[in-house]
Amino acid sequence: SQELEQSPQSLIVQEGKNLTINCTSSKTLYGLYWYKQKYGEGLIFLMMLQKGGEEKSHEKITAKLDEKKQQSSLHITASQPSHAGIYLCGADIDGNNRLAFGKGNQVVVIP
Amino acid sequence: NAGVMQNPRHLVRRRGQEARLRCSPMKGHSHVYWYRQLPEEGLKFMVYLQKENIIDESGMPKERFSAEFPKEGPSILRIQQVVRGDSAAYFCASSPPFRTDTQYFGPGTRLTVL
Repeated sequence: SQELEQSPQSLIVQEGKNLTINCTSSKTLYGLYWYKQKYGEGLIFLMMLQKGGEEKSHEKITAKLDEKKQQSSLHITASQPSHAGIYLCGADIDGNNRLAFGKGNQVVVIP
Repeated sequence: NAGVMQNPRHLVRRRGQEARLRCSPMKGHSHVYWYRQLPEEGLKFMVYLQKENIIDESGMPKERFSAEFPKEGPSILRIQQVVRGDSAAYFCASSPPFRTDTQYFGPGTRLTVL
């Protein structure tokens, strides 16, 4: 069974619009990581969240980890074509540095 | 500071051959992780190594797969007698010794088994 569920599976937005993607776990997370992957390429580290209620921002991307540390959302403000790609959430499920990943959110930004 | 490097980026093998994938961690990083991304599936953890030690290999298939991280040189993921089901993208990540909570990924090696 998938330990991390990401939704929506794919998302198409008009350039300039905001978007939100989600990552949900059935277990309490020791750390939650967001990466971005362009098709056929490697993973780019975006940010890491560890504390319940934590929120981090980088440029137009904001990620939050809920109080119970079982769900995270990633919000992009005023999306641009450069934001297109697959967003992967990864989590340290058991504190042993083994990251489990969701299947990803595919984001398409239409100019 | 160069990022995690992996080579080759693309590797084609025929069934029964051996595949060797190399990973050079970021400078100063002593922890290496290997993950596999099968078509239509998410990334799956395979193995976690420190220099000359395998810390956790719970995600490695029991047969044909091995990994090492020698004192000198890159980490190697070795797949013997490859089968078509081994076709996947193999990613390496590294982390520094006192910040193992953040893993930085390489560009991956895409293995195709004919």
